[in-house]
Amino acid sequence: NAGVMQNPRHLVRRRGQEARLRCSPMKGHSHVYWYRQLPEEGLKFMVYLQKENIIDESGMPKERFSAEFPKEGPSILRIQQVVRGDSAAYFCASSLVSQGTRSYEQYFGPGTRLTVT
Amino acid sequence: KNEVEQSPQNLTAQEGEFITINCSYSVGISALHWLQQHPGGGIVSLFMLSSGKKKHGRLIATINIQEKHSSLHITASHPRDSAVYICAVREYGGSQGNLIFGKGTKLSVKP
Repeated sequence: NAGVMQNPRHLVRRRGQEARLRCSPMKGHSHVYWYRQLPEEGLKFMVYLQKENIIDESGMPKERFSAEFPKEGPSILRIQQVVRGDSAAYFCASSLVSQGTRSYEQYFGPGTRLTVT
Repeated sequence: KNEVEQSPQNLTAQEGEFITINCSYSVGISALHWLQQHPGGGIVSLFMLSSGKKKHGRLIATINIQEKHSSLHITASHPRDSAVYICAVREYGGSQGNLIFGKGTKLSVKP
């Protein structure tokens, strides 16, 4: 059973370009979470999705960032017109279906390190 | 003041020592996670707990909901335990993914 997969592992973009980060959850997991870790800072929640639905996007910057988790294929975190401040490690995690208020263990991917030049 | 505080920030131990990392939080929570971030950057979930105590191998996690405090213990520490240990909480009423993270405790175990 493959774990959470993220690609690319490293991504270099020039200012103004678009960055697309992909996340394939563990088999059987239908909930995906994206987190950002800025250099020398802690992890921050960005967005929580299930298939074809955004559950919680309260951590997403208001502009340039979007996320989706289509019925087929990986979850995508898209950053338009990247700026140097977007340079960070972006981690995806997945879990089993959420039932009410019960919490489930999250399984993390290896992360995508985005560098904006 | 951060909602999740960890102590110490940095910890150096000799192989074999018993290690304790502390996490205090200021919000009501429905779950607390302990994570391990390897030097290469990968993150592993160690524990998720909402009460009491959990044990896995040489690792033990405890939580005191009334005191809003959790501890992670490592018995018979080994150099391969060297990593950053991160505490994260799910605030009560928040979504499952909306975790609030501590800044981490960097552990270095010397042979």
